[in-house]
Amino acid sequence: GAVVSQHPSRVICKSGTSVKIECRSLDFQATTMFWYRQFPKKSLMLMATSNEGSKATYEQGVEKDKFLINHASLTLSTLTVTSAHPEDSSFYICSARPLRATQGETEAFFGQGTRLTVV
Amino acid sequence: AQSVTQPDIHITVSEGASLELRCNYSYGATPYLFWYVQSPGQGLQLLLKYFSGDTLVQGIKGFEAEFKRSQSSFNLRKPSVHWSDAAEYFCAAAGGYQKVTFGTGTKLQVIP
Repeated sequence: GAVVSQHPSRVICKSGTSVKIECRSLDFQATTMFWYRQFPKKSLMLMATSNEGSKATYEQGVEKDKFLINHASLTLSTLTVTSAHPEDSSFYICSARPLRATQGETEAFFGQGTRLTVV
Repeated sequence: AQSVTQPDIHITVSEGASLELRCNYSYGATPYLFWYVQSPGQGLQLLLKYFSGDTLVQGIKGFEAEFKRSQSSFNLRKPSVHWSDAAEYFCAAAGGYQKVTFGTGTKLQVIP
């Protein structure tokens, strides 16, 4: 099956620094990748939709300048949390949909998630 | 607005007992429907999906789900639960290539 690799799986950073999370589709191409944030005991909240070669579309309430998304190729999207603060600590998950799929007839494949802790 | 509802936040079942997790959706048209499982600290694993056709869908790990258009439901079932099934389960829906909307999740606890 299709594999999405997310790296790193865990990261601890100091407040005020930036952290980059990578999301790679290993055996398929994805024009669209999604970034989610999961709060404790909460569902996954979509942060943004990342389209290869264009600007990401952010959901309402998500700060574009704080959560920078780059989708430079059909297999890689990155999320950079800039000037991280303790309230940014969370579990971030990416997903990707294969390019080859008949419209809609595919699930999004998920990475294993990144646990970010800002101290 | 599009939404997915999982009415049960937490369910406890005995090992070997049957399981049903509820999911209701609200979409303009029948969306594509999914069930995912998440183990603690892990990402999401797809259990099964429904796009069209047979309304009873078989998935991995012995799970199945039934799509009922009249009830806007997509409930997940398993005849006999194993201790390793303890996890959080998310129902999700998507319209075409649109974003996936998740329910709030149901945490399953399995007791001996």
